[in-house]
Amino acid sequence: DVKVTQSSRYLVKRTGEKVFLECVQDMDHENMFWYRQDPGLGLRLIYFSYDVKMKEKGDIPEGYSVSREKKERFSLILESASTNQTSMYLCASSLAGGTNEKLFFGSGTQLSVL
Amino acid sequence: GDSVTQMEGPVTLSEEACLTINCTYTATGYPSLFWYVQYPGEGLQLLLKATKADDKGSNKGFEATYRKETTSFHLEKGSVQVSDSAVYFCALSRDKIIFGKGTRLHILP
Repeated sequence: DVKVTQSSRYLVKRTGEKVFLECVQDMDHENMFWYRQDPGLGLRLIYFSYDVKMKEKGDIPEGYSVSREKKERFSLILESASTNQTSMYLCASSLAGGTNEKLFFGSGTQLSVL
Repeated sequence: GDSVTQMEGPVTLSEEACLTINCTYTATGYPSLFWYVQYPGEGLQLLLKATKADDKGSNKGFEATYRKETTSFHLEKGSVQVSDSAVYFCALSRDKIIFGKGTRLHILP
């Protein structure tokens, strides 16, 4: 069965800490995405990548960076965590071939920044 | 720019009731349209999709028809079950994927 795995289900961090959220997919997908999900706001795209070492800003990249050193792994980095980054973070992947491709999602990481 | 608007929830229904969750979109050109579902504690998963006008997507008893004249993609099910309780997201895809804000559905036994 295809799988997108996020390293932590729940995470609690302090303001100012550097935070790493890890995502691994086992489907050999070219495309990977990071979203945040907030009540009343739905899903908002933070960053995405269509290839190894490639990254593109999404709609809300401020305060975040990403790393894709290997095809199967896409990391989201909060350089200095702030309370307004408390959220559910969802990683997703898809095959290459445009945006008609189905997205496969991980189960999410609920991050609390205190 | 492109956008998706779906009815606000939560929607509460009794088991075996009929369901409609409204979704309308704004986009130039011919986007593909999707419904994703998020069960408690899980990520989103694709429920159904339609890629051109008048296409009907269907899965697990759910249906949605791509209506270009009304720019709509409403989700319907004739008889809901408790296990359908989840958050449902309408989405469109053109040069990027845009999600609606989600509609939480509660089904009472």
